[in-house]
Amino acid sequence: AQKVTQAQTEISVVEKEDVTLDCVYETRDTTYYLFWYKQPPSGELVFLIRRNSFDEQNEISGRYSWNFQKSTSSFNFTITASQVVDSAVYFCALSENNQGGKLIFGQGTELSVKP
Amino acid sequence: GAVVSQHPSWVICKSGTSVKIECRSLDFQATTMFWYRQFPKQSLMLMATSNEGSKATYEQGVEKDKFLINHASLTLSTLTVTSAHPEDSSFYICSTPGQGYNEQFFGPGTRLTVL
Repeated sequence: AQKVTQAQTEISVVEKEDVTLDCVYETRDTTYYLFWYKQPPSGELVFLIRRNSFDEQNEISGRYSWNFQKSTSSFNFTITASQVVDSAVYFCALSENNQGGKLIFGQGTELSVKP
Repeated sequence: GAVVSQHPSWVICKSGTSVKIECRSLDFQATTMFWYRQFPKQSLMLMATSNEGSKATYEQGVEKDKFLINHASLTLSTLTVTSAHPEDSSFYICSTPGQGYNEQFFGPGTRLTVL
């Protein structure tokens, strides 16, 4: 069965600290996609990244970086030098190739960055 | 990517009334539309999958007679919450997968409050 686990419910950091959000997934499919979304208080989901199961290269985009490790079924997200505007709920999600695109979301991690 | 709109963005209604939420794909032919529900402080859970011109597929535990989904055209899917009750108060989000199902285009969401 497919499942996404974000064990950290809430994280609080002080501005400029680095923070890593953990994501562990379960799937029996060999072809799948992993996503990270940001959800600010407005509720609208903001797409951050998509990774397919055959691409284990780590990715960096500005202050954001992602570490995908199939060996541990993890897709962790790191924010470097966090800012107050990073405060939001972050969701990790899984889409299996044979499921027509529907997403299985993790429980979400609420990040609070204090000035 | 595709642009998806939802209307209304928020709605307050009395218990027992029905509420219709529209999800429009503005620049993309959406043959499939997913409807998610998000209770406060919780994750997004898939409610149903609608395909243009056919009956929707509901996830386990979702009452199909209470949450009526219509996907009559490639640009419009509607979710009607019939005889709404306070426990139906939630954030409802639609999404459509891109070609190849490895990307998702989300609507901005509709916040429903039932008094």
